[in-house]
Amino acid sequence: DAGVIQSPRHEVTEMGQEVTLRCKPISGHDYLFWYRQTMMRGLELLIYFNNNVPIDDSGMPEDRFSAKMPNASFSTLKIQPSEPRDSAVYFCASSLRAGRNQPQHFGDGTRLSIL
Amino acid sequence: DAKTTQPPSMDCAEGRAANLPCNHSTISGNEYVYWYRQIHSQGPQYIIHGLKNNETNEMASLIITEDRKSSTLILPHATLRDTAVYYCIVRVGAGTALIFGKGTTLSVSS
Repeated sequence: DAGVIQSPRHEVTEMGQEVTLRCKPISGHDYLFWYRQTMMRGLELLIYFNNNVPIDDSGMPEDRFSAKMPNASFSTLKIQPSEPRDSAVYFCASSLRAGRNQPQHFGDGTRLSIL
Repeated sequence: DAKTTQPPSMDCAEGRAANLPCNHSTISGNEYVYWYRQIHSQGPQYIIHGLKNNETNEMASLIITEDRKSSTLILPHATLRDTAVYYCIVRVGAGTALIFGKGTTLSVSS
């Protein structure tokens, strides 16, 4: 079975540019999570969706960040305008609806570098 | 969510069992214990989870103490590919975020 698929794997862009990260969750999963990992802060949750609806976006750092889930098989995380401090690895994860405390399954991440 | 405490690093010889401890003394009755690992440059990988009974799967065993205040992840025959950062996390349900601490860096050597 295909796991969580993220694209691109690497992104290098200049400060001020718009960046769009993409995620395809595992088919049938109801929850989708976006995390960010940096050396300073470790892994931290940005936002998560349930049945395509954003549930908690309290981890989104500021208005420059936005996330959408137009359908059950696709989500985007957008940064506009990007800044050097946004450089990090961004992970997407998905899981089944609660019932047996289903684990989250992660993609391999997008390594973002803002110059 | 309850917080966890793990040793920052551990070493293990290849072929031996790796026993990774985790303290979660403030865990609530409805919180599960999850273990993930992250191999360099990859996304976190789910290993195992449990509530109060010991659990075993093809990757590892999870031993939870009777008072649920601590647990141990056991990799029965560690290989070089098990070198990774291992995270112990407690949470209630699928709709809640995973809160990652610093984890334990396990180094397996030949």
